[in-house]
Amino acid sequence: GAGVSQSPSNKVTEKGKDVELRCDPISGHTALYWYRQSLGQGLEFLIYFQGNSAPDKSGLPSDRFSAERTGGSVSTLTIQRTQQEDSAVYLCASSPRDGWGARGTEAFFGQGTRLTVV
Amino acid sequence: AQSVTQLGSHVSVSEGALVLLRCNYSSSVPPYLFWYVQYPNQGLQLLLKYTTGATLVKGINGFEAEFKKSETSFHLTKPSAHMSDAAEYFCAVRGYGGSQGNLIFGKGTKLSVKP
Repeated sequence: GAGVSQSPSNKVTEKGKDVELRCDPISGHTALYWYRQSLGQGLEFLIYFQGNSAPDKSGLPSDRFSAERTGGSVSTLTIQRTQQEDSAVYLCASSPRDGWGARGTEAFFGQGTRLTVV
Repeated sequence: AQSVTQLGSHVSVSEGALVLLRCNYSSSVPPYLFWYVQYPNQGLQLLLKYTTGATLVKGINGFEAEFKKSETSFHLTKPSAHMSDAAEYFCAVRGYGGSQGNLIFGKGTKLSVKP
């Protein structure tokens, strides 16, 4: 597609349920990022997929959070046993290069998924 | 590890006044720095970036930023604010080492423009 696509755009779930958030990056982009945006917290880094290298998972806040990227393209962020503090906007971004080659390149962002846990 | 600090979570200026949004970074290597803008109910878009070369970088919508290594700063400025500039602005730095391509963001500064 023309840009980074995220689905769903809005998700309301009950506390304790699992949710899956999807990201379709720009075709050909090797780097993919997930961030969480909460009021007053800015963009909190979650996970970074860098081509065929091991992803940087250092930002995942707990073992309830996981992400995968299949075939170097689509990524799914899964939150298990959701809690109210997980309510936030989850942003995905992609970049045409990863690793050292990515240093001067721009990351392109999707519109985000607004997750509300009730 | 790289990090970014944005001073002031909220800045308010009058239309036509100077806009100054502050960003300081920490990096063990020459930094690659970015400013992104997020308009209400929209995604983030790139305003400008510094990689190498000229330290004064010009971006879209009349914004510019100056990289000052001695001050570890990359402040964003615009000579004359417009109502349409009201948005949230994020400064970011590229990672290094095991996360060479990662983008580390500051907490953001919300800019309000008064008529």
